[in-house]
Amino acid sequence: DIQMTQSPSSLSASVGDRVTITCRASQGISNSLAWYQQKPGKAPKLLLYAASRLESGVPSRFSGSGSGTDYTLTISSLQPEDFATYYCQQYYSTPPWTFGQGTKLEIK
Amino acid sequence: EVQLVESGGGLVQPGRSLRLSCTASGFTFGDYAMSWVRQAPGKGLEWVGFIRSKAYGGTTEYAASVKGRFTISRDDSKSIAYLQMNSLKTEDTAVYYCMRPKGGYYWGPSYWGQGTLVTVSS
Repeated sequence: DIQMTQSPSSLSASVGDRVTITCRASQGISNSLAWYQQKPGKAPKLLLYAASRLESGVPSRFSGSGSGTDYTLTISSLQPEDFATYYCQQYYSTPPWTFGQGTKLEIK
Repeated sequence: EVQLVESGGGLVQPGRSLRLSCTASGFTFGDYAMSWVRQAPGKGLEWVGFIRSKAYGGTTEYAASVKGRFTISRDDSKSIAYLQMNSLKTEDTAVYYCMRPKGGYYWGPSYWGQGTLVTVSS
């Protein structure tokens, strides 16, 4: 199974900050990576897929990059509504399609 | 608009069974594979399993942690996916979500239902 290591596990930042979250796969996943945002008590929401493609309706301050085993989610200028937990998920080849451990983004 | 509504959660004793339903609307259900993911209280996301569409055999895949105990099925005439959970353990306590892949994908990036809570406790 492919293991996903996400870092950091938590992050404190201020409105307007630029933040980056990283996911590393235990083997190459050919950009088969999605990022989700989850707010307390809610279902995860798709933000990006294919590592860098923005889901419709998601603000352009969210971006993704990476290749091979290493991927990043960047929020260019944090807004109050962005404080949430973020998860990566690989969907390379056959199941299981594993998630990172999550990054909780908190207000500083 | 894609809508997924999970139901059937509740309190169940260890060793007992429970069946969850995921009722879909807003799309042609039979055209899509469906997945289940769970989230234990205060924890991260765990992929549970997947059922292919009938066009791809309707076959299933499961996480090692539930294989042999959980069964995913589908009724395309009712637009419902099911998760039959047998021999439940306390560690199966979680919110269970169903998911449908976004258009253009057979699996992977997905839309989620709101989830249903399963509590396994004596």
